[in-house]
Amino acid sequence: DIQMTQSPSSVSASVGDSVTITCRASQAIGSWLAWYQQKPGKGPKLLIYVASSLESGVPSRFSGSGSGTDFTLTISSLQPEDFATYYCQQVTSFPRTFGQGTKVEIK
Amino acid sequence: EVQLVESGGGLVHPGGSLTLSCAASGFTLSTYPMNWVRQAPGKGLQWVSTVGGSGDVTYYADSVKGRFSISTDNSRNTLYLQMNNLRAEDTAVYYCAKAGHGDSALDSWGQGTLVTVSS
Repeated sequence: DIQMTQSPSSVSASVGDSVTITCRASQAIGSWLAWYQQKPGKGPKLLIYVASSLESGVPSRFSGSGSGTDFTLTISSLQPEDFATYYCQQVTSFPRTFGQGTKVEIK
Repeated sequence: EVQLVESGGGLVHPGGSLTLSCAASGFTLSTYPMNWVRQAPGKGLQWVSTVGGSGDVTYYADSVKGRFSISTDNSRNTLYLQMNNLRAEDTAVYYCAKAGHGDSALDSWGQGTLVTVSS
């Protein structure tokens, strides 16, 4: 199975800050990576697919990059609605494993 | 507009069975791979199972293989998860999710249904 490791587990930031979350795969997955946002009590929401493609309707302050084993999600100029938990998921093989999540909290 | 609405969760004793349903609207279920993903209380997301758009290919996490069965009813545009021999560690919110972008991501999710396995 491919293991997905996110860092950090949590980050405190202020409105207007830029935040970068890292996701590392235990083996190469090409660009087959998605990023999701989840708010308490809600189902996840797709942000980024194939590592860097922005889902329709997602603000352009969200961006993704990377390939192979190392990927990043960057949120530029954090907005109040961005405080949430973020997950990466590899979709190159089954089981379709998720990272453990990164909680973005208000400083 | 795509909508996914899960139902069927509840309290069940260890060793018991439960069937979850996910009613889809705004798209034709048979056109896309469909998934179940779960989240134990206070924990992260765990992929559980996928069924191909044709319904003839299925995949399961090792932790549920042999106990859970994923299926679709195209006439009802509904996805199911039959769960047998339930264990305490199966306690979670179960989400159904539609695959999109050529099966490269889960682009629509339901609100989830809570399954609690406890004596």
